[in-house]
Amino acid sequence: AQSVTQLGSHVSVSEGALVLLRCNYSSSVPPYLFWYVQYPNQGLQLLLKYTSAATLVKGINGFEAEFKKSETSFHLTKPSAHMSDAAEYFCAVSAEYGNKLVFGAGTILRVKS
Amino acid sequence: EAQVTQNPRYLITVTGKKLTVTCSQNMNHEYMSWYRQDPGLGLRQIYYSMNVEVTDKGDVPEGYKVSRKEKRNFPLILESPSPNQTSLYFCASSPLREPSNAEQYFGPGTRLTVT
Repeated sequence: AQSVTQLGSHVSVSEGALVLLRCNYSSSVPPYLFWYVQYPNQGLQLLLKYTSAATLVKGINGFEAEFKKSETSFHLTKPSAHMSDAAEYFCAVSAEYGNKLVFGAGTILRVKS
Repeated sequence: EAQVTQNPRYLITVTGKKLTVTCSQNMNHEYMSWYRQDPGLGLRQIYYSMNVEVTDKGDVPEGYKVSRKEKRNFPLILESPSPNQTSLYFCASSPLREPSNAEQYFGPGTRLTVT
């Protein structure tokens, strides 16, 4: 069975500062990992995904994430936060041949001017 | 425009009054799924469908029904809604029958309040 833990339900950064959102996963088989973003009053959209091709994954809007098997982590980073990055971010895991996406509880990112 | 649509976007109802939330996708996707989002719990899967006439339970199916008579539509039915079903609901679709490494495309959400 797969599970996801997102550390920190709320993260606050200043505009221009580094964004780091933490995600740890548990999976008995090689996982596929995703980060989704939800802007206010909208559905979720894919930021990036890891599917075993490369451990450092680049996504949209300057975000990237690194898969670290030894740490069972898939943390999301962005070098310089922008006001438009304020949203809720979800880490999710699925398994090969699986038909289910398991989501973390989400992290709300606040960007201060 | 490729999209997943849901209706209604907002719904307030009373306990026990049957309701249906519609979901439709225009991308010819095989896989469709319903999730509910609750604060601090993330998204939890209610039901999913890998093909027409094929549906299966997710993690929280109690109190819900679904059907998949056409590829594009996947309605969520609450036969007798209760206050604990007050939540934000999302429909999603994916091009693969087993979307393990594929992106899921989400609708805009339906905010349901049951009093």
